[in-house]
Amino acid sequence: DAGVIQSPRHEVTEMGQEVTLRCKPISGHDYLFWYRQTMMRGLELLIYFNNNVPIDDSGMPEDRFSAKMPNASFSTLKIQPSEPRDSAVYFCASSFSGDRLQETQYFGPGTRLLVL
Amino acid sequence: GENVEQHPSTLSVQEGDSAVIKCTYSDSASNYFPWYKQELGKRPQLIIDIRSNVGEKKDQRIAVTLNKTAKHFSLHITETQPEDSAVYFCAATRTNTGFQKLVFGTGTRLLVSP
Repeated sequence: DAGVIQSPRHEVTEMGQEVTLRCKPISGHDYLFWYRQTMMRGLELLIYFNNNVPIDDSGMPEDRFSAKMPNASFSTLKIQPSEPRDSAVYFCASSFSGDRLQETQYFGPGTRLLVL
Repeated sequence: GENVEQHPSTLSVQEGDSAVIKCTYSDSASNYFPWYKQELGKRPQLIIDIRSNVGEKKDQRIAVTLNKTAKHFSLHITETQPEDSAVYFCAATRTNTGFQKLVFGTGTRLLVSP
């Protein structure tokens, strides 16, 4: 298995532009997580899905952020409009509830976002 | 909700020394405690975890201990090597009431000098 796949790996955009981050979880995993990592705030959980349904989006910073999971193999995190303070590394992770190690989350390589 | 505190924020050791990173948690119902290692520019990866039914777990040079009464757990790395240099995150959650999200500590940057 290729692991969790994220694209793009790097994104540089200007303030006000729309940004879409993409994630493909490990095949068969039923949980998907979006995290944001910054030096100041560390690793923050933004939202997570179970069987494509959003379960907890309490970590989404504001209405500019939205996430979707149209099917079991694809999720997007969208920021519209983007702001410089959104600059961070965004990680997607997935896990499988049917595994006795269900709590183990497998992280993707991350998307490094820079908003100018 | 759960709150996890992690200390120290940075730790510098000489190669061959031991390193200890400590975390405390607030929710007495938490029963699963993983540790993730993140090398520079890479993704976090699980290195070891412990559940509340055991007090210690070892895997080669790394070990984790858990004190449920005091609500703290620690990562121990013996015979450190330069490749151990990374940021280490602890986390906590409870698993006995259905899925609960992991709550991460703020990370410890470990630097192992040759």
